[in-house]
Amino acid sequence: KAGVTQTPRYLIKTRGQQVTLSCSPISGHRSVSWYQQTPGQGLQFLFEYFSETQRNKGNFPGRFSGRQFSNSRSEMNVSTLELGDSALYLCASSLSWTGTSSPLHFGNGTRLTVT
Amino acid sequence: QQQVKQSPQSLIVQKGGISIINCAYENTAFDYFPWYQQFPGKGPALLIAIRPDVSEKKEGRFTISFNKSAKQFSLHIMDSQPGDSATYFCAASRKGGSRLTFGEGTQLTVNP
Repeated sequence: KAGVTQTPRYLIKTRGQQVTLSCSPISGHRSVSWYQQTPGQGLQFLFEYFSETQRNKGNFPGRFSGRQFSNSRSEMNVSTLELGDSALYLCASSLSWTGTSSPLHFGNGTRLTVT
Repeated sequence: QQQVKQSPQSLIVQKGGISIINCAYENTAFDYFPWYQQFPGKGPALLIAIRPDVSEKKEGRFTISFNKSAKQFSLHIMDSQPGDSATYFCAASRKGGSRLTFGEGTQLTVNP
């Protein structure tokens, strides 16, 4: 079974621009979560989607948004990019959003560099 | 109260030795405690997980020990191998949700 696929792998953007990252979950998984990973802040939760609805949101500004499509694929968007948005953005999928019986499986991430 | 504290930040172990990584949490609502392994250029991969109704769980060379009263849990890697060299993250989530709160990570180096 194919794993979580994230595209693109690398992205370079300029301050003020916006960016869209894509995630295809493991087949059959209906929940998709997004995490930001930086050397200073570690792994931080952005948001989670299940059945096209946002179920949970982390402490990030409104510039960070996401959505999920009917096929469970997800996108996240960051508008008005700042230098501090440079990070590895990880997508994770699971069968459901109840956690304990449905572990998260991560993709290899999209490395975003903002210049 | 949502934090998970992980130590040490880095660890160097000889091949065949035991690697021990510790985590502590504050939020008693956490009820699922996974460990993830991450290699450079890759996403975190689930290694082993435990629930608080169990004090120990073993899978191969990897063991989680859980102390509910102390709100601490640890990962033991027996017979550590150079291929185990990676960054290890502990995490926790609340009942009924899959949102993970991660520890700061431990960079493990196993020397041959």
